[in-house]
Amino acid sequence: DAKTTQPPSMDCAEGRAANLPCNHSTISGNEYVYWYRQIHSQGPQYIIHGLKNNETNEMASLIITEDRKSSTLILPHATLRDTAVYYCIVRVAYNQGGKLIFGQGTELSVKP
Amino acid sequence: GAGVSQTPSNKVTEKGKYVELRCDPISGHTALYWYRQSLGQGPEFLIYFQGTGAADDSGLPNDRFFAVRPEGSVSTLKIQRTERGDSAVYLCASSLTLARTDTQYFGPGTRLTVL
Repeated sequence: DAKTTQPPSMDCAEGRAANLPCNHSTISGNEYVYWYRQIHSQGPQYIIHGLKNNETNEMASLIITEDRKSSTLILPHATLRDTAVYYCIVRVAYNQGGKLIFGQGTELSVKP
Repeated sequence: GAGVSQTPSNKVTEKGKYVELRCDPISGHTALYWYRQSLGQGPEFLIYFQGTGAADDSGLPNDRFFAVRPEGSVSTLKIQRTERGDSAVYLCASSLTLARTDTQYFGPGTRLTVL
Protein backbone atom coordinates (compact mmCIF):
# COMPACT_ATOMS: atom_id res chain seq x y z
CA ASP A 1 0.00 0.00 0.00
CA ALA A 2 1.26 3.42 -0.89
CA LYS A 3 2.18 5.37 2.21
CA THR A 4 1.65 9.03 2.95
CA THR A 5 3.74 11.49 4.93
CA GLN A 6 2.20 14.52 6.61
CA PRO A 7 3.52 17.07 9.10
CA PRO A 8 2.25 16.17 12.59
CA SER A 9 0.84 19.61 13.31
CA MET A 10 0.13 23.00 11.80
CA ASP A 11 -1.33 26.31 12.92
CA CYS A 12 -3.47 28.65 10.87
CA ALA A 13 -5.01 32.03 11.63
CA GLU A 14 -8.79 32.24 11.42
CA GLY A 15 -9.91 33.59 8.03
CA ARG A 16 -6.67 32.68 6.30
CA ALA A 17 -6.12 29.80 3.91
CA ALA A 18 -4.89 26.55 5.44
CA ASN A 19 -2.58 24.60 3.14
CA LEU A 20 -1.99 21.04 4.28
CA PRO A 21 0.75 19.12 2.43
CA CYS A 22 1.00 15.40 1.84
CA ASN A 23 3.72 13.29 0.24
CA HIS A 24 2.80 10.03 -1.47
CA SER A 25 5.83 9.25 -3.62
CA THR A 26 4.99 5.54 -4.07
CA ILE A 27 1.46 6.08 -5.33
CA SER A 28 0.39 3.87 -8.24
CA GLY A 29 -1.21 5.19 -11.37
CA ASN A 30 -4.69 3.96 -10.51
CA GLU A 31 -4.74 4.95 -6.85
CA TYR A 32 -6.78 7.88 -5.63
CA VAL A 33 -5.80 10.45 -3.03
CA TYR A 34 -8.45 10.93 -0.36
CA TRP A 35 -8.66 13.46 2.43
CA TYR A 36 -10.66 12.97 5.61
CA ARG A 37 -10.73 14.97 8.80
CA GLN A 38 -11.62 14.02 12.34
CA ILE A 39 -12.91 16.50 14.83
CA HIS A 40 -12.38 15.49 18.44
CA SER A 41 -14.61 12.58 19.54
CA GLN A 42 -16.30 12.25 16.15
CA GLY A 43 -15.94 9.78 13.29
CA PRO A 44 -13.80 10.74 10.29
CA GLN A 45 -15.52 13.05 7.82
CA TYR A 46 -14.92 12.85 4.08
CA ILE A 47 -13.54 16.03 2.52
CA ILE A 48 -12.44 15.43 -1.06
CA HIS A 49 -10.65 13.01 -3.37
CA GLY A 50 -8.83 13.09 -6.68
CA LEU A 51 -6.82 11.06 -9.16
CA LYS A 52 -4.69 13.44 -11.19
CA ASN A 53 -6.66 16.62 -11.79
CA ASN A 54 -7.20 19.35 -9.25
CA GLU A 55 -10.55 19.13 -7.51
CA THR A 56 -12.75 21.61 -5.67
CA ASN A 57 -15.94 21.22 -3.68
CA GLU A 58 -17.80 23.24 -1.08
CA MET A 59 -15.36 22.25 1.65
CA ALA A 60 -11.92 22.44 0.09
CA SER A 61 -9.64 22.28 -2.92
CA LEU A 62 -7.20 19.50 -3.71
CA ILE A 63 -4.08 20.23 -5.71
CA ILE A 64 -2.19 17.17 -6.99
CA THR A 65 1.25 17.63 -8.55
CA GLU A 66 1.76 16.51 -12.12
CA ASP A 67 3.93 13.57 -11.06
CA ARG A 68 1.27 12.69 -8.44
CA LYS A 69 3.91 12.29 -5.74
CA SER A 70 2.42 14.95 -3.52
CA SER A 71 -0.76 16.90 -2.95
CA THR A 72 -2.05 19.86 -0.97
CA LEU A 73 -5.42 20.27 0.67
CA ILE A 74 -6.54 23.88 0.78
CA LEU A 75 -9.18 25.24 3.15
CA PRO A 76 -9.67 28.70 1.61
CA HIS A 77 -10.96 30.55 4.68
CA ALA A 78 -10.26 28.54 7.81
CA THR A 79 -12.63 28.87 10.76
CA LEU A 80 -12.28 27.71 14.35
CA ARG A 81 -14.53 24.76 13.48
CA ASP A 82 -11.90 23.51 11.03
CA THR A 83 -9.65 22.59 13.95
CA ALA A 84 -9.22 18.83 13.51
CA VAL A 85 -6.84 16.05 12.52
CA TYR A 86 -6.57 15.85 8.73
CA TYR A 87 -5.72 12.54 7.09
CA CYS A 88 -4.29 12.14 3.62
CA ILE A 89 -4.95 8.61 2.34
CA VAL A 90 -3.99 6.74 -0.79
CA ARG A 91 -6.87 4.42 -1.46
CA VAL A 92 -5.98 0.91 -2.46
CA ALA A 93 -7.14 -0.54 -5.75
CA TYR A 94 -10.74 -1.72 -6.09
CA ASN A 95 -9.86 -5.37 -6.03
CA GLN A 96 -8.62 -4.96 -2.48
CA GLY A 97 -11.94 -3.64 -1.29
CA GLY A 98 -11.04 -0.01 -1.10
CA LYS A 99 -10.14 -0.10 2.58
CA LEU A 100 -8.63 3.10 3.89
CA ILE A 101 -5.13 3.01 5.35
CA PHE A 102 -4.85 5.94 7.77
CA GLY A 103 -1.56 7.44 8.89
CA GLN A 104 -1.02 9.77 11.82
CA GLY A 105 -2.47 12.79 10.06
CA THR A 106 -1.86 16.50 10.59
CA GLU A 107 -3.38 18.18 13.62
CA LEU A 108 -4.56 21.58 12.38
CA SER A 109 -5.17 24.27 14.97
CA VAL A 110 -7.07 27.32 13.74
CA LYS A 111 -6.45 30.23 16.06
CA PRO A 112 -8.43 33.49 16.42
CA GLY B 1 -30.95 11.39 5.22
CA ALA B 2 -29.78 9.23 8.09
CA GLY B 3 -26.08 8.57 8.35
CA VAL B 4 -24.25 5.60 9.78
CA SER B 5 -25.31 4.91 13.34
CA GLN B 6 -23.53 2.88 15.98
CA THR B 7 -24.73 1.56 19.30
CA PRO B 8 -23.91 1.80 22.07
CA SER B 9 -21.96 5.04 22.00
CA ASN B 10 -20.04 3.94 25.08
CA LYS B 11 -19.48 0.50 26.51
CA VAL B 12 -17.66 -0.28 29.74
CA THR B 13 -16.98 -3.92 30.49
CA GLU B 14 -14.77 -6.05 32.64
CA LYS B 15 -11.83 -8.09 31.47
CA GLY B 16 -12.95 -11.49 30.22
CA LYS B 17 -16.48 -10.45 29.30
CA TYR B 18 -18.15 -10.71 25.88
CA VAL B 19 -19.33 -7.59 24.03
CA GLU B 20 -21.29 -6.84 20.88
CA LEU B 21 -21.07 -3.57 18.97
CA ARG B 22 -23.72 -2.73 16.40
CA CYS B 23 -23.52 -0.76 13.17
CA ASP B 24 -26.44 0.46 11.06
CA PRO B 25 -25.12 1.55 7.65
CA ILE B 26 -26.67 4.07 5.31
CA SER B 27 -29.65 2.49 3.58
CA GLY B 28 -28.71 0.92 0.25
CA HIS B 29 -24.98 0.77 0.95
CA THR B 30 -23.63 -2.68 0.11
CA ALA B 31 -20.13 -2.24 1.52
CA LEU B 32 -19.52 -2.02 5.26
CA TYR B 33 -16.20 -1.53 7.05
CA TRP B 34 -15.04 -1.79 10.64
CA TYR B 35 -12.05 0.15 11.95
CA ARG B 36 -10.49 0.50 15.39
CA GLN B 37 -8.87 3.67 16.71
CA SER B 38 -6.59 3.71 19.71
CA LEU B 39 -5.84 6.93 21.56
CA GLY B 40 -3.66 9.26 19.51
CA GLN B 41 -3.62 7.01 16.45
CA GLY B 42 -5.38 7.00 13.11
CA PRO B 43 -8.14 4.44 12.50
CA GLU B 44 -6.93 0.93 11.72
CA PHE B 45 -8.82 -1.37 9.33
CA LEU B 46 -10.35 -4.53 10.81
CA ILE B 47 -12.77 -6.11 8.33
CA TYR B 48 -15.07 -5.29 5.47
CA PHE B 49 -18.22 -6.83 4.02
CA GLN B 50 -19.64 -6.82 0.54
CA GLY B 51 -23.27 -7.78 1.11
CA THR B 52 -23.47 -10.56 3.68
CA GLY B 53 -19.99 -11.98 3.22
CA ALA B 54 -16.80 -10.86 4.93
CA ALA B 55 -14.59 -10.18 1.94
CA ASP B 56 -11.47 -9.26 3.91
CA ASP B 57 -10.95 -9.89 7.61
CA SER B 58 -7.19 -9.53 7.53
CA GLY B 59 -7.24 -6.70 10.05
CA LEU B 60 -8.89 -8.63 12.87
CA PRO B 61 -6.20 -8.90 15.57
CA ASN B 62 -7.01 -12.46 16.66
CA ASP B 63 -9.77 -15.06 16.83
CA ARG B 64 -11.48 -13.33 19.76
CA PHE B 65 -12.83 -10.85 17.23
CA PHE B 66 -15.65 -11.78 14.89
CA ALA B 67 -18.12 -9.81 12.81
CA VAL B 68 -21.35 -10.71 11.03
CA ARG B 69 -23.76 -9.09 8.63
CA PRO B 70 -26.46 -11.72 8.17
CA GLU B 71 -28.91 -9.78 6.03
CA GLY B 72 -26.50 -7.51 4.25
CA SER B 73 -27.43 -4.44 6.26
CA VAL B 74 -26.80 -4.22 10.01
CA SER B 75 -23.47 -5.56 11.21
CA THR B 76 -22.34 -6.70 14.64
CA LEU B 77 -18.73 -6.80 15.81
CA LYS B 78 -18.29 -9.39 18.54
CA ILE B 79 -15.38 -9.56 20.96
CA GLN B 80 -14.95 -12.56 23.23
CA ARG B 81 -12.92 -12.66 26.45
CA THR B 82 -12.17 -8.96 26.30
CA GLU B 83 -8.74 -7.71 27.33
CA ARG B 84 -7.66 -4.27 28.51
CA GLY B 85 -5.79 -3.83 25.23
CA ASP B 86 -9.11 -4.00 23.36
CA SER B 87 -10.03 -0.59 24.76
CA ALA B 88 -10.45 1.75 21.80
CA VAL B 89 -13.03 3.52 19.67
CA TYR B 90 -14.59 1.12 17.17
CA LEU B 91 -15.68 2.87 13.99
CA CYS B 92 -18.02 1.64 11.31
CA ALA B 93 -18.23 3.01 7.78
CA SER B 94 -20.37 2.23 4.76
CA SER B 95 -20.18 2.99 1.07
CA LEU B 96 -22.47 2.41 -1.88
CA THR B 97 -20.13 -0.20 -3.36
CA LEU B 98 -16.49 -1.22 -3.02
CA ALA B 99 -15.40 1.07 -5.84
CA ARG B 100 -12.47 3.35 -5.09
CA THR B 101 -14.55 6.34 -6.02
CA ASP B 102 -17.37 5.53 -3.59
CA THR B 103 -16.98 7.57 -0.45
CA GLN B 104 -16.89 5.80 2.90
CA TYR B 105 -19.14 7.49 5.44
CA PHE B 106 -18.26 6.95 9.06
CA GLY B 107 -20.42 6.61 12.11
CA PRO B 108 -19.63 8.33 15.43
CA GLY B 109 -18.01 5.21 16.86
CA THR B 110 -18.41 3.11 19.99
CA ARG B 111 -15.95 3.82 22.77
CA LEU B 112 -15.10 0.50 24.43
CA THR B 113 -13.40 0.51 27.81
CA VAL B 114 -12.24 -2.76 29.30
CA LEU B 115 -11.50 -2.52 33.01
